[in-house]
Amino acid sequence: EAGVAQSPRYKIIEKRQSVAFWCNPISGHATLYWYQQILGQGPKLLIQFQNNGVVDDSQLPKDRFSAERLKGVDSTLKIQPAKLEDSAVYLCASSLEALSYGGNEQFFGPGTRLTVL
Amino acid sequence: QKEVEQDPGPLSVPEGAIVSLNCTYSNSAFQYFMWYRQYSRKGPELLMYTYSSGNKEDGRFTAQVDKSSKYISLFIRDSQPSDSATYLCAMYSGGGADGLTFGKGTHLIIQP
Repeated sequence: EAGVAQSPRYKIIEKRQSVAFWCNPISGHATLYWYQQILGQGPKLLIQFQNNGVVDDSQLPKDRFSAERLKGVDSTLKIQPAKLEDSAVYLCASSLEALSYGGNEQFFGPGTRLTVL
Repeated sequence: QKEVEQDPGPLSVPEGAIVSLNCTYSNSAFQYFMWYRQYSRKGPELLMYTYSSGNKEDGRFTAQVDKSSKYISLFIRDSQPSDSATYLCAMYSGGGADGLTFGKGTHLIIQP
């Protein structure tokens, strides 16, 4: 079974530039999550999708971050404009079903390491 | 006070030792408790998953949850150098949006 794929693996940008990350979840997984992991911290949820609908985006800084999951499969996360404090690893995870519906494991991709200069 | 507290370490132990990793939490609504292992430059991978209070054993790993004390533990027996990684506790309350709340992670080093 192929895992969660993310690209690019690394990205370096200047502050105020824009950047986009892509995630391809495990085939058949209905639930997709984006987490932000700052160095030395645990991952923090940014947004959760159930199929192509947003379940929770309460911690997404909506003035600069946006995410979409077209057709309920792949997802993109965009930052525009980037700030220095956005430097982090952006992790995508997927699960067969949401935990609320009996799912029990979120599978994580390798992450995209973003450096904002 | 953060919702989940975890000592970041590093914790260094000799090979073969029993390792104890712990987290405390403040939100009494948390019902599901997990331990993830994260190697450098990799995504977290699930090690143990428990619901409510009690113990769960899987091979060399044992997870304990004490909801009355809001305290969870992961024990690793017969530790191996390959166990060297960051261990993240995570939890979830259930009944809705289910993004996990993570601790900071404990960096574990097993010395050969």
